[in-house]
Amino acid sequence: NAGVTQTPKFQVLKTGQSMTLQCAQDMNHEYMSWYRQDPGMGLRLIHYSVGAGITDQGEVPNGYNVSRSTTEDFPLRLLSAAPSQTSVYFCASRPGRVRSPLHFGNGTRLTVT
Amino acid sequence: EDQVTQSPEALRLQEGESSSLNCSYTVSGLRGLFWYRQDPGKGPEFLFTLYSAGEEKEKERLKATLTKKESFLHITAPKPEDSATYLCAVSTGNQFYFGTGTSLTVIP
Repeated sequence: NAGVTQTPKFQVLKTGQSMTLQCAQDMNHEYMSWYRQDPGMGLRLIHYSVGAGITDQGEVPNGYNVSRSTTEDFPLRLLSAAPSQTSVYFCASRPGRVRSPLHFGNGTRLTVT
Repeated sequence: EDQVTQSPEALRLQEGESSSLNCSYTVSGLRGLFWYRQDPGKGPEFLFTLYSAGEEKEKERLKATLTKKESFLHITAPKPEDSATYLCAVSTGNQFYFGTGTSLTVIP
């Protein structure tokens, strides 16, 4: 099993550009989520999904869109990148049971200039 | 407001010198408390889940405990390979709240 796979590993954008961060998992997990990690702030939840066709906002959703058309994939879209979105982004998944731990990918480091 | 606080921010230990990391939390409807290890440039790696006060889990040199307000990660006789950032998180179901982590350095 590959687990949770994130692409790309690194990305540099100019202010105003759009892009999609990809996340795929091969564990048949129902729940998938996106976090950003900033120095001194810890991991903060952006959006999450409890199954195909169902998404909801987390703590810091502004400037990001998500959709979930399949169980395996949960892409994160930046519509108009801003320097404040410079961060490391992690995708995480878990089985449907709410007491299950999250399994993380290895992250995408995004820089917006 | 749901909140997770970890202390200390950083900890330097000599190899073999045991210590504890603290995670205090305030959350409505705790569904689980999780400990993760994060190495530089990597995603967090799951270590333990604790569900109720009084519960303990062990894995090699690590032992996690839980009370109603906090959790401790005890590290016994650490080795240099235990150097990493240790993250604590609480779950209320579909939302997870993370602390800012403790950066542990074990000196040979």
